[in-house]
Amino acid sequence: AQKITQTQPGMFVQEKEAVTLDCTYDTSDPSYGLFWYKQPSSGEMIFLIYQGSYDQQNATEGRYSLNFQKARKSANLVISASQLGDSAMYFCAMRVNDYKLSFGAGTTVTVRA
Amino acid sequence: ETGVTQTPRHLVMGMTNKKSLKCEQHLGHNAMYWYKQSAKKPLELMFVYNFKEQTENNSVPSRFSPECPNSSHLFLHLHTLQPEDSALYLCASSQEGGVLAVGNEQFFGPGTRLTVL
Repeated sequence: AQKITQTQPGMFVQEKEAVTLDCTYDTSDPSYGLFWYKQPSSGEMIFLIYQGSYDQQNATEGRYSLNFQKARKSANLVISASQLGDSAMYFCAMRVNDYKLSFGAGTTVTVRA
Repeated sequence: ETGVTQTPRHLVMGMTNKKSLKCEQHLGHNAMYWYKQSAKKPLELMFVYNFKEQTENNSVPSRFSPECPNSSHLFLHLHTLQPEDSALYLCASSQEGGVLAVGNEQFFGPGTRLTVL
């Protein structure tokens, strides 16, 4: 069975600073995909970034980057230059060779002015 | 309309009511999903439809009944719910090929916040 662990229930970050959100995963399948989603208070899950298990380089999307350490089974999200609009819940998710996205418990990020 | 839409956005119902949640995707995708998000719990996959065929029922109680009349629409029919069914219900869609691909992103709707009294 696949498992995603996010150990940080909540984090505070100062505006314009960087923040790292932790995510570890467990799977025996060699092929998998890792996703990060943002969920603001409105409820919609917004896709941020994707990393494939065979990707050689860490994924980046604008201010989002994924620190992928395959041997440690970790896929941490780094948000650089935090903005007030980044305040939200962030979920790490994993997909193996079926339709299921397995989600972690999420991390609440609060950006302070 | 673009993306994935869900109606209603908020729903309050009694335990004896029958109601339906509606999801529509405007992305031309061929797979649709229902998720349940309860407070302090990770998102739980409920149902998966691929090419209008249900391919996953994640041990969901029969008081939840999905319907997928075509690849763009997905319904969740609710009847005789319990207060513990109060949650945010999210619909998602993705484009799946002949071979399952781990990188296929799921696009989510804004959710229906359901309260069962």
